[in-house]
Amino acid sequence: GQQVMQIPQYQHVQEGEDFTTYCNSSTTLSNIQWYKQRPGGHPVFLIQLVKSGEVKKQKRLTFQFGEAKKNSSLHITATQTTDVGTYFCAGRGSARQLTFGSGTQLTVLP
Amino acid sequence: ETGVTQSPTHLIKTRGQQVTLRCSSQSGHNTVSWYQQALGQGPQFIFQYYREEENGRGNFPPRFSGLQFPNYSSELNVNALELDDSALYLCASSSGTGGWADTQYFGPGTRLTVL
Repeated sequence: GQQVMQIPQYQHVQEGEDFTTYCNSSTTLSNIQWYKQRPGGHPVFLIQLVKSGEVKKQKRLTFQFGEAKKNSSLHITATQTTDVGTYFCAGRGSARQLTFGSGTQLTVLP
Repeated sequence: ETGVTQSPTHLIKTRGQQVTLRCSSQSGHNTVSWYQQALGQGPQFIFQYYREEENGRGNFPPRFSGLQFPNYSSELNVNALELDDSALYLCASSSGTGGWADTQYFGPGTRLTVL
């Protein structure tokens, strides 16, 4: 079945540094979504990418979808303590259900 | 706040017991998906209900079953609980034709502990 791998598993950064998490799917995706989950919370939808090579920005967050629609990345510029949490990618393939990656847990040190 | 509610918040059961978890979807949403999230992992898709019918299922055994009611609220039932069933159970509601909408809104989850 479809597998979605995400790296790194953990990332510690100093406040103000940049952060990137990468997502790779074993199969071509129709779209990919990104979620943020704060400690003790539930996943909160951030964005969806649909087109090959698509790039979307939300303030300090930049999301990319690969040309082959099998990989994606999330980049945060100048991290803040409010960015703390686990970031998940979730891909939708031919089975239509969302397959989540295992997440990248971001810690921002003040 | 997403408007998706789940009950109970926490639950402790013993191995072999049965459990029912409940989800009220956001107003206007006709689809509910259930996910299991083990500690340190991403959510895993259990199944989805669209207009009271199951229209998608992940790799979970038949002892995981569900219902969706005419008001689009939903239940997740798990029989013969096993220790590995300990997890956060999330429901997510959405709206759309055919049940596979782009955006899902997650509820706060039910933390199930099986002893």
